[in-house]
Amino acid sequence: AQSVSQHNHHVILSEAASLELGCNYSYGGTVNLFWYVQYPGQHLQLLLKYFSGDPLVKGIKGFEAEFIKSKFSFNLRKPSVQWSDTAEYFCAVNGASGTYKYIFGTGTRLKVLA
Amino acid sequence: SQTIHQWPATLVQPVGSPLSLECTVEGTSNPNLYWYRQAAGRGLQLLFYSIGIDQISSEVPQNLSASRPQDRQFILSSKKLLLSDSGFYLCAWSVPEGTDTQYFGPGTRLTVL
Repeated sequence: AQSVSQHNHHVILSEAASLELGCNYSYGGTVNLFWYVQYPGQHLQLLLKYFSGDPLVKGIKGFEAEFIKSKFSFNLRKPSVQWSDTAEYFCAVNGASGTYKYIFGTGTRLKVLA
Repeated sequence: SQTIHQWPATLVQPVGSPLSLECTVEGTSNPNLYWYRQAAGRGLQLLFYSIGIDQISSEVPQNLSASRPQDRQFILSSKKLLLSDSGFYLCAWSVPEGTDTQYFGPGTRLTVL
């Protein structure tokens, strides 16, 4: 079955700490991978995406993610978090061959303490 | 630029009452449109998607239905709400090719009492 697993449901960090949020997927065939973020009171928005090429992709606000095909993973990282990174983060996948169906993970709530 | 609107922002309805949530997109043509339900601890559940007028796919059998009366309008409906229909409903759009970024609306918080 197609699925996306985010193992960390709640993460609490102090400012300047490093962040890594796990994402593993189960999806047949070639995939596109996404991380979305929902800041308090704001719309869900794209943080970064991977379609092909360099498996290390960089997004907005200093975030990056690495696609490891052998591990079916697309973990999100940031070397030094800020209080403003407090948000809910969602990993998502869809098929690269034209399917319109996106599968989202359950989300990770990140709280950064000032 | 493209914008996506949803209304109402919040809604409180009694069990058994009907439902109509509306989503409209501006600034693009023939978008793919999506309805999701976001529940705490369960992420985003895809309910319906549409690649064109009168082309709607249902992902989860349930008490809800969707319609697309115009190119950029997507409506989520129910004839009789259940308590389990409570949640946060998000509309999204993407370009017609369908595999790119999704752009989300502000959502509707539905509480069924």
